[in-house]
Amino acid sequence: EVQLVESGGGLVQPGGSLRLSCSASGFPFTSYSMTWVRQAPGKGLEWVSYISSNGNTIYYADAVKGRFTISRDNAKKSLFLQMNNLRGEDTAVYYCARTTYSSDYWGQGTLVTVSS
Amino acid sequence: IQLTQSPSFLSASVGDRVTITCRASQAISSYLAWYQQKPGKAPKLLIYDASTLQSGVPSRFSGSGSGTEFTLTISSLLPEDFATYYCQQLDSYPRTFGQGTKVDFK
Repeated sequence: EVQLVESGGGLVQPGGSLRLSCSASGFPFTSYSMTWVRQAPGKGLEWVSYISSNGNTIYYADAVKGRFTISRDNAKKSLFLQMNNLRGEDTAVYYCARTTYSSDYWGQGTLVTVSS
Repeated sequence: IQLTQSPSFLSASVGDRVTITCRASQAISSYLAWYQQKPGKAPKLLIYDASTLQSGVPSRFSGSGSGTEFTLTISSLLPEDFATYYCQQLDSYPRTFGQGTKVDFK
């Protein structure tokens, strides 16, 4: 069974940092690209970042470029999102998703709240 | 690439045929996916490549279109179909989503 479990969310002050993790199981992690998608409270889905299966290709949404860094550890079957210089508008549930072209499996999400 | 869904809200009854439209700001061939999301839950992939049903998704869901205009159709609405639906373009990065269409009880 494919499972994706996010962790690392929480309350952080504006300007602070947080590192999200996504632990994968039930599929060959090294064969799949991965994506982070977020959803602000009461709002729609917002695509955040993508990383290819070997980590060589990475994309970011303009809203997070220069502040967020996506990475992966294939040996540990884990995906990460390092988030720096956080702003109030980064408050959201963050989902990791297995990706080919579309995203066919999603984690349950982890809530990040940026507030003083 | 911007995606615009219509309508944003839709009131319907069990048994209704429901159609949601997604328009892209530029041609994206058939590179479009549809997702369903229920409150407090992660999105679920319904359709990819505009019209290919994801494994396990009921056949009452169908997708069509290419270029800039796409539709998601639910042939006969069931109680479990009341949810919010999103389109996503798969043509280029960033992989933008539409703003969502909430299907609610009439």
